[in-house]
Amino acid sequence: GENVEQHPSTLSVQEGDSAVIKCTYSDSASNYFPWYKQELGKRPQLIIDIRSNVGEKKDQRIAVTLNKTAKHFSLHITETQPEDSAVYFCAAKYGGATNKLIFGTGTLLAVQP
Amino acid sequence: NAGVTQTPKFHILKIGQSMTLQCTQDMNHNYMYWYRQDPGMGLKLIYYSVGAGITDKGEVPNGYNVSRSTTEDFPLRLELAAPSQTSVYFCASSYPLRDQETQYFGPGTRLLVL
Repeated sequence: GENVEQHPSTLSVQEGDSAVIKCTYSDSASNYFPWYKQELGKRPQLIIDIRSNVGEKKDQRIAVTLNKTAKHFSLHITETQPEDSAVYFCAAKYGGATNKLIFGTGTLLAVQP
Repeated sequence: NAGVTQTPKFHILKIGQSMTLQCTQDMNHNYMYWYRQDPGMGLKLIYYSVGAGITDKGEVPNGYNVSRSTTEDFPLRLELAAPSQTSVYFCASSYPLRDQETQYFGPGTRLLVL
């Protein structure tokens, strides 16, 4: 079945450093890849997404890259700040028009001041 | 817009009891979803709906039931609760259109089955 693998499970960086989280997916028909940020006790919130017709997308300090051939995509956060500390989930759309998402297991990012 | 709302925020349920988790959205989204999130894990899809009167199973549907009588509401029913159903439950909704796939999540319901 469909699967998304996410690495690393935990990531600790110094404030100002960059952080990279990587995901691989199994369904070659997937064409939409969102990233969600979840703070402790809160709901997941979309921070950036990318579609399969695009290789890279940026939004200020956040960027996502997609390699469709290798079936992997990555989240890049530059100039990290303490408020970036959270759990980040990648996801891949499957099931065609039903817009179902399959999620990775999450990365706990800790930004040390 | 209130977005996606869920009730209750927290509930303790005894083994074998039943309850309904409520989810409502005011964004006129056709698509709605129920997920569960276990500690340290990602989100697993329980059931989803592409419109009023239409529901289907996700990855982990056993022990749950849903209904969708209106566009706004998508309740999740737990029958004969078991400790394995202790989890945080999130409802989400989205448009059915390409390029508008973003799923918006509710605040979650934390359920403890003892």
